[in-house]
Amino acid sequence: DAGVTQSPTHLIKTRGQHVTLRCSPISGHKSVSWYQQVLGQGPQFIFQYYEKEERGRGNFPDRFSARQFPNYSSELNVNALLLGDSALYLCASSLWGRNTDTQYFGPGTRLTVL
Amino acid sequence: QQQVKQSPQSLIVQKGGISIINCAYENTAFDYFPWYQQFPGKGPALLIAIRPDVSEKKEGRFTISFNKSAKQFSLHIMDSQPGDSATYFCAAGGSQGNLIFGKGTKLSVKP
Repeated sequence: DAGVTQSPTHLIKTRGQHVTLRCSPISGHKSVSWYQQVLGQGPQFIFQYYEKEERGRGNFPDRFSARQFPNYSSELNVNALLLGDSALYLCASSLWGRNTDTQYFGPGTRLTVL
Repeated sequence: QQQVKQSPQSLIVQKGGISIINCAYENTAFDYFPWYQQFPGKGPALLIAIRPDVSEKKEGRFTISFNKSAKQFSLHIMDSQPGDSATYFCAAGGSQGNLIFGKGTKLSVKP
């Protein structure tokens, strides 16, 4: 079975631009979470979606938004990019999105903002 | 405010030795504590996890010890191997279904 897949693998943008990152969860998983991992730090929670509804949001500005589609795939959008948005963006899927559910991470999208 | 504190930041261990990584948490509402392993260029992969009603859990060479009263938990890697060289993250399950991660420990196992 395929694991969590993310696209693109790498992305280079300039300040002020907009970016869309995509994630496909493990088949049968209904919840997707997004995390930002800055170099040398642990992942930080951005959003969680379950059954197309936003269930949780971390401490990120409104420039960050996300959505989940009927097939449970998800998009993360970031507007008005800043240099500080350069990071590895990780998507994780789980069965039900409960805090005790195992979260399986994808390989991430490496975003560089110049 | 960092809710999960992890130490040490880096660790060097000889092949066959024991690697020990410690974490402390603040929020008593956390009730799920996983450990993830991350290799360069990859996403984190679950190693082992524990619930607070258990004081110890062992899977192969990996053991979690949990001290609920001290709000601390640790990962022990027995018979450490060069292939174990990676960054290890402890985490705690939050109320939003999210994970709160420590800052990570970079483990190097010398042959």
